[in-house]
Amino acid sequence: SQQGEEDPQALSIQEGENATMNCSYKTSINNLQWYRQNSGRGLVHLILIRSNEREKHSGRLRVTLDTSKKSSSLLITASRAADTASYFCATDETSGSRLTFGEGTQLTVNP
Amino acid sequence: NAGVTQTPKFRVLKTGQSMTLLCAQDMNHEYMYWYRQDPGMGLRLIHYSVGEGTTAKGEVPDGYNVSRLKKQNFLLGLESAAPSQTSVYFCASSRTSGRHEQYFGPGTRLTVT
Repeated sequence: SQQGEEDPQALSIQEGENATMNCSYKTSINNLQWYRQNSGRGLVHLILIRSNEREKHSGRLRVTLDTSKKSSSLLITASRAADTASYFCATDETSGSRLTFGEGTQLTVNP
Repeated sequence: NAGVTQTPKFRVLKTGQSMTLLCAQDMNHEYMYWYRQDPGMGLRLIHYSVGEGTTAKGEVPDGYNVSRLKKQNFLLGLESAAPSQTSVYFCASSRTSGRHEQYFGPGTRLTVT
């Protein structure tokens, strides 16, 4: 079964609005990563947050991690049509040696 | 730097046929992975390798075999294709294990009829 579960499954917003996606997981982790996948393409790494970090920024991206609730959120500010893609969280479990991906959130940004 | 490349990009097989998907990376990464992605689902790990000459089973290994004879290449084989193996296959590599980000290839779209 998947370690990470994204919420919502799909999100549709207008250009300029903020988009927030959530990820919940079940076991202890070393880090949590977010990836983007444009339609028909491979995944692209966005940001990695370690288990001892609570918040991380990269450009218009803001990621938070709450290990007590086993959850993370990805915020994209001032969204653009080019942000339309699927977003996946992936967890590096302390008990494993590989990433486990969630099922993704499909984000649509309308111009 | 080409990053991670996959060949072929598309393939149609008949049930029972065999084929090999090739993945190559030029970043000198130790770890390499094969995933499959089905509609509306995330990635499921088929097999992975932690270094040249090593392979290990992932979440859905049945019906697939892999080899890593050279550090830069990771091959995925289907000995007798089945319609359930219709999917998009992604190869990825990383410097080490989950501690680092993975770099993905563009994918191979496989249809088994």
